[in-house]
Amino acid sequence: DAKTTQPTSMDCAEGRAANLPCNHSTISGNEYVYWYRQIHSQGPQYIIHGLKNNETNEMASLIITEDRKSSTLILPHATLRDTAVYYCIVRIYNQGGKLIFGQGTELSVKP
Amino acid sequence: DVKVTQSSRYLVKRTGEKVFLECVQDMDHENMFWYRQDPGLGLRLIYFSYDVKMKEKGDIPEGYSVSREKKERFSLILESASTNQTSMYLCASSVTRQGAIRRGEAFFGQGTRLTVV
Repeated sequence: DAKTTQPTSMDCAEGRAANLPCNHSTISGNEYVYWYRQIHSQGPQYIIHGLKNNETNEMASLIITEDRKSSTLILPHATLRDTAVYYCIVRIYNQGGKLIFGQGTELSVKP
Repeated sequence: DVKVTQSSRYLVKRTGEKVFLECVQDMDHENMFWYRQDPGLGLRLIYFSYDVKMKEKGDIPEGYSVSREKKERFSLILESASTNQTSMYLCASSVTRQGAIRRGEAFFGQGTRLTVV
């Protein structure tokens, strides 16, 4: 699985959009980009995933660059409850194998 | 909703004890994973299993073994617990069969915080 690079931490004002970047320059053609988050004292929670098109669901939007070497997770109106560590992972979609987490980005949403 | 249940939220064990951490999922998922999470090190994969009686080593398997006798249950075993195995342990499961909803997505349990004294 390709390696990802994320900033260690970010701040965001409540009600504003939070844009979390991820670099995955060694991603291969059959690898998807997944985003998870982990709120303190809980297990990680799936947010969204995509291959090459932009994706949106009730939680977030995912923007993947045309060359697929980077992506951005967007939380359109961040709330205090979005304070968490956000993990960007790349993996083969239907592979039964490893799901490898990096260090993630610690997002602090401030009032 | 998918549920991944870990048998204990908190455990305290003595050095040298044999420790069993149990994980059960209720969605007929093929894949199950065990991670440990430590401050500054993130989530590290210990073992995973993609089918009953099948297992593969993750990045840090030393000191651990696993058992998957039934599809829904994946057990992590610490043969002789040591203080450096004090950690948060997280179990996860995912589905890969064709046509499954949310294929590839992993669902996590709430974690077991193990302290070895």
